[in-house]
Amino acid sequence: TQLLEQSPQFLSIQEGENLTVYCNSSSVFSSLQWYRQEPGEGPVLLVTVVTGGEVKKLKRLTFQFGDARKDSSLHITAAQPGDTGLYLCGGTGAGSYQLTFGKGTKLSVIP
Amino acid sequence: DVKVTQSSRYLVKRTGEKVFLECVQDMDHENMFWYRQDPGLGLRLIYFSYDVKMKEKGDIPEGYSVSREKKERFSLILESASTNQTSMYLCASSLRDRGRLGYGYTFGSGTRLTVV
Repeated sequence: TQLLEQSPQFLSIQEGENLTVYCNSSSVFSSLQWYRQEPGEGPVLLVTVVTGGEVKKLKRLTFQFGDARKDSSLHITAAQPGDTGLYLCGGTGAGSYQLTFGKGTKLSVIP
Repeated sequence: DVKVTQSSRYLVKRTGEKVFLECVQDMDHENMFWYRQDPGLGLRLIYFSYDVKMKEKGDIPEGYSVSREKKERFSLILESASTNQTSMYLCASSLRDRGRLGYGYTFGSGTRLTVV
């Protein structure tokens, strides 16, 4: 089983601050996905990255896939209370159908 | 709106009962998955299926079985429920990724199962 380490585990920041969360592995992934989960709900897909070095932007969220396809980061600019939630990264190995998930980063944005 | 529907949001069952968790998707996805989510342990894969009547064990299949008789439906069965199976159960589906396109998962809202 490929392992994904997410850091930090918990993050509490003030509204308007910037933040970055990380997703790291010793394994190469075919693709890596980021999800956000709100309490009592299932995770919702934010983005998929498949090419080493790829950068994708979704409004105030910027996602980057490492050149070696072993790590990824999520950067949020000017965080808002609506960004509060559990952020999960998940990766698929070559020829694999299933995602392996990290344990998540729990983000709280305080108004 | 496309979706994955899990039959129950909350369930309370007694130790030793046989428990069925149902999941239905309306997106014609080939792949379906069952995960459990526990604090500090994250999402762990129990079983998945990439086609009708096909099933593969995930990381923690012990104490569980699955059934996929129709493409849209994937059932998780707890043969004899135990207290350590108290958890949030999440069903997901996805297209089969034939070209490393990284198709995302669509998750259901989850079933919070308590075994007493």
